[in-house]
Amino acid sequence: QKEVEQDPGPLSVPEGAIVSLNCTYSNSAFQYFMWYRQYSRKGPELLMYTYSSGNKEDGRFTAQVDKSSKYISLFIRDSQPSDSATYLCAMIYSGGYNKLIFGAGTRLAVHP
Amino acid sequence: EPEVTQTPSHQVTQMGQEVILRCVPISNHLYFYWYRQILGQKVEFLVSFYNNEISEKSEIFDDQFSVERPDGSNFTLKIRSTKLEDSAMYFCASKLTQNYGYTFGSGTRLTVV
Repeated sequence: QKEVEQDPGPLSVPEGAIVSLNCTYSNSAFQYFMWYRQYSRKGPELLMYTYSSGNKEDGRFTAQVDKSSKYISLFIRDSQPSDSATYLCAMIYSGGYNKLIFGAGTRLAVHP
Repeated sequence: EPEVTQTPSHQVTQMGQEVILRCVPISNHLYFYWYRQILGQKVEFLVSFYNNEISEKSEIFDDQFSVERPDGSNFTLKIRSTKLEDSAMYFCASKLTQNYGYTFGSGTRLTVV
């Protein structure tokens, strides 16, 4: 079983739609959860960083963590063509020097 | 906004040659990392560096790889004798404290021919 599972998509939605992106994980030692956005041939850009179970909101983005189900989500409201990118979930174990374990990434296309 | 700078953006090298990938992390950050992403695959951890020494490395980071922070600003990844399978995007990242998000550079695309 992979440590972090993420559906690679692609996911295609019309402009203005609500997008839901998800990851599951197998190891309950993961304590910190992140979502990164990656444009083609660019480095990952941090969107959201969460620690505990629950919701965190930042503008059009909401990150949700359910540790009991080992499931995290990213919601994008009022999606725009500029949101078209690959979205990577990433996690860190507690302690240590905090290497990131990434999901495979979901490719999102928002069409006008 | 502060950023992590990587040079060169693209490097082509012959198999068996040595390459050095360069990074300038954000100036007050304390933790430094290299990751790589083979085309179409996941971003994978290579090595973490803290307090002037390697703190963790992956199975990928074998004797052909080394890292250095030769001065207060640069952080380099050296591949001693490149193989075809080393072709990938290499990302440098840094962060201020342990409980903090990473900032990634734009990457160096390494092509081994």
